[in-house]
Amino acid sequence: DTGVSQDPRHKITKRGQNVTFRCDPISEHNRLYWYRQTLGQGPEFLTYFQNEAQLEKSRLLSDRFSAERPKGSFSTLEIQRTEQGDSAMYLCASSLWGLESHRTDTQYFGPGTRLTVL
Amino acid sequence: TQLLEQSPQFLSIQEGENLTVYCNSSSVFSSLQWYRQEPGEGPVLLVTVVTGGEVKKLKRLTFQFGDARKDSSLHITAAQPGDTGLYLCAGGRSGGSEKLVFGKGTKLTVNP
Repeated sequence: DTGVSQDPRHKITKRGQNVTFRCDPISEHNRLYWYRQTLGQGPEFLTYFQNEAQLEKSRLLSDRFSAERPKGSFSTLEIQRTEQGDSAMYLCASSLWGLESHRTDTQYFGPGTRLTVL
Repeated sequence: TQLLEQSPQFLSIQEGENLTVYCNSSSVFSSLQWYRQEPGEGPVLLVTVVTGGEVKKLKRLTFQFGDARKDSSLHITAAQPGDTGLYLCAGGRSGGSEKLVFGKGTKLTVNP
């Protein structure tokens, strides 16, 4: 049973470039979450999917950010025209949500993608 | 706005000492999760608590959820250097937005 995987683990880019991150959730997990974590802070919610539907987006997710989960399995997070303020750890998590588990919805995190924008 | 306040923010102790980390909020959560995070890695789940007053033990770690489901504590007995890391609490709410709300974390260092 593999956990959540993310690719790449590290990304260095120049300001103005586009970047795309991939997340593969735990198999059969129907929910997938994206969070962002900056130094000295806890993770902050960006968006989440249930199967292929994107159900909520944070105000942190500006129009330069887009996330997809086209087949309800893996997800991608794209950042267009990157800015230095986008430098952070981008974390993906997945959970198995159902009527019986709705109170817990325990989320399991991947190792993260560390983005550095120069 | 940080809905979950963790204290202390930093803690440095000697091996063998006991410690308690607190996670407080004015909001009610349907569940509360504790994670440990190493530098450059994602958070690793330690425990989920869902019932007010619930106590869970994981070896030398004891987790408690407050009766009103607004606060939680993590107690470590006889800390070891391997316990060093960032401890994060995260609150979840059911029946609507399922995102987790995190505290800033407690950075624990256990010196040998």
